[in-house]
Amino acid sequence: DTAVSQTPKYLVTQMGNDKSIKCEQNLGHDTMYWYKQDSKKFLKIMFSYNNKELIINETVPNRFSPKSPDKAHLNLHINSLELGDSAVYFCASSQRTARERGNEQFFGPGTRLTVL
Amino acid sequence: LAKTTQPISMDSYEGQEVNITCSHNNIATNDYITWYQQFPSQGPRFIIQGYKTKVTNEVASLFIPADRKSSTLSLPRVSLSDTAVYYCLVGAAISSGSARQLTFGSGTQLTVLP
Repeated sequence: DTAVSQTPKYLVTQMGNDKSIKCEQNLGHDTMYWYKQDSKKFLKIMFSYNNKELIINETVPNRFSPKSPDKAHLNLHINSLELGDSAVYFCASSQRTARERGNEQFFGPGTRLTVL
Repeated sequence: LAKTTQPISMDSYEGQEVNITCSHNNIATNDYITWYQQFPSQGPRFIIQGYKTKVTNEVASLFIPADRKSSTLSLPRVSLSDTAVYYCLVGAAISSGSARQLTFGSGTQLTVLP
């Protein structure tokens, strides 16, 4: 009965590879997010997405792209992985958009990506 | 950008009340203030959200002065299990086309001692 789940939990790969992280939420929420948490514990939003719009943090390289097959899933695709992509990636969801009150987010357990 | 500033770390003892203050001098009119808790190897967990004055729920209280340039998360009678990183988030109102504002910052590491 996990609310927000991510797979895999750990991902170790070589530079230059393409990888995907999957996220699923069973809360019936309309908005999903991807965050990156670096070694200094800063949590930075990468994308916010609902069935109406994709909001992108323009500082995110275009090697990163979200894919949403349906409202309950938001996967993260990363092309040409670089050393600096090593971090923990969190998926989250909320009932309302981030613009609205009551937009508390529910986070997944995270995916630790290590690029060698 | 509604940048937030929090103490890097705090120590407390079991049973004490803990207050963690967050500064957000350039908070926008329509921004809410949200606090999250994060344990090691887990995702952040929502604690409380407010706009002004005081908000209380079953786990914490949030005090926001009239100018809204700061906020204080109050945890009553902490226990060892409250040891975690606490994030203050301001600027949940993402403007169209840009999500740059939604950055949690480095948070406050709270350590509760026996």
